[in-house]
Amino acid sequence: DTEVTQTPKHLVMGMTNKKSLKCEQHMGHRAMYWYKQKAKKPPELMFVYSYEKLSINESVPSRFSPECPNSSLLNLHLHALQPEDSALYLCASSNPGLPYEQYFGPGTRLTVT
Amino acid sequence: KQEVTQIPAALSVPEGENLVLNCSFTDSAIYNLQWFRQDPGKGLTSLLLIQSSQREQTSGRLNASLDKSSGRSTLYIAASQPGDSATYLCAVTNFNKFYFGSGTKLNVKP
Repeated sequence: DTEVTQTPKHLVMGMTNKKSLKCEQHMGHRAMYWYKQKAKKPPELMFVYSYEKLSINESVPSRFSPECPNSSLLNLHLHALQPEDSALYLCASSNPGLPYEQYFGPGTRLTVT
Repeated sequence: KQEVTQIPAALSVPEGENLVLNCSFTDSAIYNLQWFRQDPGKGLTSLLLIQSSQREQTSGRLNASLDKSSGRSTLYIAASQPGDSATYLCAVTNFNKFYFGSGTKLNVKP
């Protein structure tokens, strides 16, 4: 199974809402990633978890809060977002060592109103 | 900081043509280079991964090469088909950080 799943597929939320994005993989990978992708731009790395510990935070605003409850699951908690946070949020996983081959999920399309 | 550039930004070709997409990077200290395909509004599908010790990889009609010393990679697509229409992204890996190019949007006309 080389699949990374993400839920929900689409999410519309107001600026005062709290919501969560979920990502799951069953490939035994021990590194998981969150990316943000705006239209016609490449994905931008937000967070990296390695062995369930946060190893990279690319200076992401605190209104985005990641969580890795176990080796298969990655969440992104959202609170007090801004309209400019509207984007496609992509999750990926890999082994935390060579060859670092990444597998991506289908993404969650987030719209902040 | 690693910078990855893809040229051209967009490409339109008739069906059946062979084509080459280019990717260049500024820091040659990479672990690997990965080519992805992305359909509109969808996630990324991995096409090929070339480790730093390798020169090329092939999968079906796709062939990717890597010249680490010059900071270049090419993705060759043979006998293009309308179903190949998508955006193609390359990404290089330094440790567990990934740097993406802006992509080449390919349109294959029937």
